This record gives sequence, C-alpha cells and structure tokens, in this order.
Amino acid sequence: AQRVTQPEKLLSVFKGAPVELKCNYSYSGSPELFWYVQYSRQRLQLLLRHISRESIKGFTADLNKGETSFHLKKPFAQEEDSAMYYCALRDQGAQKLVFGQGTRLTINP
Amino acid sequence: DSGVTQTPKHLITATGQRVTLRCSPRSGDLSVYWYQQSLDQGLQFLIQYYNGEERAKGNILERFSAQQFPDLHSELNLSSLELGDSALYFCASSVGADPWADEQFFGPGTRLTVL
Repeated sequence: AQRVTQPEKLLSVFKGAPVELKCNYSYSGSPELFWYVQYSRQRLQLLLRHISRESIKGFTADLNKGETSFHLKKPFAQEEDSAMYYCALRDQGAQKLVFGQGTRLTINP
Repeated sequence: DSGVTQTPKHLITATGQRVTLRCSPRSGDLSVYWYQQSLDQGLQFLIQYYNGEERAKGNILERFSAQQFPDLHSELNLSSLELGDSALYFCASSVGADPWADEQFFGPGTRLTVL
C-alpha cells in the first residue's frame, strides 16, 4: 500500500540551527511528493512540491529514490518556521494524495 | 485568505447522533476534498468530488457520506457518531480534478467533539 511516514511527531531546534524534517514513502510507481505546512491559527497550505525543485522560505526537499525519502531541510531555522508540517505523496492509482502523520516543529529562541 | 469556508467552526454532539458539515469552495474551483485530522491518525483523505461527481474515495467510513451540489458547495454527513469520530474535519478545493496538478486550498476546519 502507498504510505508516507514521518517518524517524528515532535521536533524542537534552536533558532539558527539546521532543521531536517524526515519523510519516507513507499510507492510502487514514480513518486511525486509534496510538503504542506500549517502555521498557528492559519490554514494548511502547500509549501513545496518536488517537481518544482524550488526553495520556499529557505526550505528545500530532495527526492531520494534510493532511500525512498523526501526530507525537508533548512540550514538556519527561524522562529516563524514553527508549524505543523505534512509530507504527502501522489497516489496515481487511487487518484488521491496520501499524507503522513505530520511533524510539529518548534523553533526555540 | 484562501476563500474556502466551512461551517460550523465547532460542533459538540452525543454518540449516536448525526451531523452535517458544510463547505464552500473558492470561486472557480470545481473540486472539493474532505479530510479528517485526528491526533493519532494525522491527516486522512476521506473523499473528493469534482463538478458534482464523486472522483476519489479514501478512508471514509460507511457511516459517513458526502455530496456536492450544483452550486459546488459540499456537505459531509456523519451518522451514528462514535467517540472516535471526534476530530478536525477539513475541506479543501482546487481548480481541476487531479489533487496533485493544482494546489489544494484548505478551509479553516470544523472541530467535531462527540461526547
């Protein structure tokens, strides 16, 4: 079955430190992955998608097919990065997005 | 503001009851998605409608049903409610039929508490 795993429910780092939110997936086809973010009192929104190869708010994510991972990284965390982050996978067969359980990131001052 | 609206914001009800959650998509969006967010399960896709027709189904229980009306708003009906149905229910909308081709815009959610 298609699955997205975010092994860390909670992640806490200090401001200015590097941050990496882990995402692993299982998928038999060619994967297409996304990161969604939900800031406090705001709606869930798309952060980035791997096909765009973009950097948004300093975050990047590289698809590693060998390790079946799509970790989200930022070299220097900022307090405004504190949020809930969801990794999602396109399930072509079922015509849907499969979300991971989410990681709550807290950036300490 | 993403433009997706959901009512009500909060709903408290008892086990065995039935409730209806409402969602209005962004202007111009034809797809509506329903998600359930709970502490232990994370964000779970329930169902998608596109232009009035069911497009995709996820982990939606038989006690739950949804529909999309001609004006494109959608309702999620939850019946025979159980304590475990307590969760935040999100609605999202997108322009097209494919949830990965166009960005999904999420509503603020309806928090359902079953006592």
